[in-house]
Amino acid sequence: SQELEQSPQSLIVQEGKNLTINCTSSKTLYGLYWYKQKYGEGLIFLMMLQKGGEEKSHEKITAKLDEKKQQSSLHITASQPSHAGIYLCGADRRGTSYGKLTFGQGTILTVHP
Amino acid sequence: DAGVTQSPTHLIKTRGQQVTLRCSPKSGHDTVSWYQQALGQGPQFIFQYYEEEERQRGNFPDRFSGHQFPNYSSELNVNALLLGDSALYLCASSLGNTIYFGEGSWLTVV
Repeated sequence: SQELEQSPQSLIVQEGKNLTINCTSSKTLYGLYWYKQKYGEGLIFLMMLQKGGEEKSHEKITAKLDEKKQQSSLHITASQPSHAGIYLCGADRRGTSYGKLTFGQGTILTVHP
Repeated sequence: DAGVTQSPTHLIKTRGQQVTLRCSPKSGHDTVSWYQQALGQGPQFIFQYYEEEERQRGNFPDRFSGHQFPNYSSELNVNALLLGDSALYLCASSLGNTIYFGEGSWLTVV
């Protein structure tokens, strides 16, 4: 089984709908990173969460970290076609990652206009 | 401020050949990590360089090697290429817990 499981693996929504992507770790989380990737391109940094209960928002995207459950969620409000892409969560296992992350397999988001 | 830049963007190699990929980190970042991303998968950590030394390594064979220069830029070398090495190779630069990725280099081995 994966160290970091993302669910769902893919998601198709109508423009304007809210959605949530989950990331669950089988090991202790010291930090959790969220990135967005367009197919075949690099990763765009969205947010980084370090403390249990921490919640961060940027535009219409909100991420939360539940340290006890070793889980993070990414919520998009009023989705737009520009939100489409692959969302990846990456875990920092050491407390100070120095750039080494363990990634989930990604969630493919499609937003229909 | 330029972000993380990688070159080349695409390349095709033949089995058994060798390849070198290059990465310039974001300004002020002193640590460079390399990842391999196969189609449909999340990125896999290859290794990381700091102060011109390999600091951490993932589960990749010795055919994968690297180098970091005094200006923090880095190279990834892969010898004796296999078909399975076909992937997107991503470079990430970091300073503390701030991590940014480049656009990647697409390697196709035929």
